[in-house]
Amino acid sequence: KQEVTQIPAALSVPEGENLVLNCSFTDSAIYNLQWFRQDPGKGLTSLLLIQSSQREQTSGRLNASLDKSSGRSTLYIAASQPGDSATYLCTPDEYGNKLVFGAGTILRVKS
Amino acid sequence: EAQVTQNPRYLITVTGKKLTVTCSQNMNHEYMSWYRQDPGLGLRQIYYSMNVEVTDKGDVPEGYKVSRKEKRNFPLILESPSPNQTSLYFCASSHRGGNTEAFFGQGTRLTVV
Repeated sequence: KQEVTQIPAALSVPEGENLVLNCSFTDSAIYNLQWFRQDPGKGLTSLLLIQSSQREQTSGRLNASLDKSSGRSTLYIAASQPGDSATYLCTPDEYGNKLVFGAGTILRVKS
Repeated sequence: EAQVTQNPRYLITVTGKKLTVTCSQNMNHEYMSWYRQDPGLGLRQIYYSMNVEVTDKGDVPEGYKVSRKEKRNFPLILESPSPNQTSLYFCASSHRGGNTEAFFGQGTRLTVV
């Protein structure tokens, strides 16, 4: 059974810092991996989708890497802002469309 | 605008009173699913549907029913709600195949007293 671990569980940083959020998963046979953010009491917003054949994906200040063989993904956030405060979820997709969630990383960026 | 719409957003009900949470998507997605989110347990899949009239159990299906009569709609039915079904529920949709982005609704916060 696929298990997802995200480290750290929580992170509090001053505005402007570059951040690294880590994700590990136990079964490397995945179709893709998606990073989401969730604001308190709200839905999930997709940030980046990395297909299994890709090694990284970039969108603005966000960069996500994928090392399928070792079961790891990293989300890099450059020049963090208070608006980045949210819970970040790493989600490998197995069987095609089957998302498995970890507990997430709670990020707080202080102004 | 591409979106997944859930209704209601908030619901308080009593034990045993049947309820339905609706989910609709406007992206012509084949795949739809329901998740519940609980503190310390993360998001867990309840049911999913690969296409019209095709549904299957996820990881925590007990106490829930679903139907997929139309491609755009995927309602979640609680025939006899119990307090342990108090949770935050999310509907999601995506194209089939596994290499496409999943879209989530805004969530339904259900309280069963």
